[in-house]
Amino acid sequence: GAVVSQHPSRVICKSGTSVKIECRSLDFQATTMFWYRQFPKQSLMLMATSNEGSKATYEQGVEKDKFLINHASLTLSTLTVTSAHPEDSSFYICSARDGPSNQPQHFGDGTRLSIL
Amino acid sequence: TQLLEQSPQFLSIQEGENLTVYCNSSSVFSSLQWYRQEPGEGPVLLVTVVTGGEVKKLKRLTFQFGDARKDSSLHITAAQPGDTGLYLCAGVGEDSSYKLIFGSGTRLLVRP
Repeated sequence: GAVVSQHPSRVICKSGTSVKIECRSLDFQATTMFWYRQFPKQSLMLMATSNEGSKATYEQGVEKDKFLINHASLTLSTLTVTSAHPEDSSFYICSARDGPSNQPQHFGDGTRLSIL
Repeated sequence: TQLLEQSPQFLSIQEGENLTVYCNSSSVFSSLQWYRQEPGEGPVLLVTVVTGGEVKKLKRLTFQFGDARKDSSLHITAAQPGDTGLYLCAGVGEDSSYKLIFGSGTRLLVRP
């Protein structure tokens, strides 16, 4: 089956640091990738949608200068949390889809980000 | 804005009991998916329902899509401790965005 790999799985860093999270589709080409954020005991909230080779589309309330998304190839998307602060601590999950909207999204295992 | 409300938010039951989780919206969805998520992991797809009134079974799990495609339910028969987890419904809207909108989630604890 389709596999999506996220790296790192866990990050602990100091406030003010920028953190990059990678999302890779291992055995398929991901024309569209999605980034979600999940707070403890809550559901997934869509942050942004990225299509290969174009700018990401951010959801309302998500700061694009704070959460930089790059989808430079059909197998890799990155999310950079710039100048991270404790309130950015969360579980970040990516998903990838190959093709049109009726194709399923395949989810990564998430990245636990903790900002001290 | 399309919202999906799940109920109950939390459910603690004894092994062997039956349960139903509901997923409701005022919006119509072209399809609806159910996921199960373990702590520290990404969600895992259980089923996708597409047609209004559709019923799908996955072993002890029965999924139903409402006739109007605005709601869905997940019924678990004879729950087992291994069923413990966060259950999420997610709908694909009928607008051009094709985004997956997640429900508020139901946390299930099955006690042995």
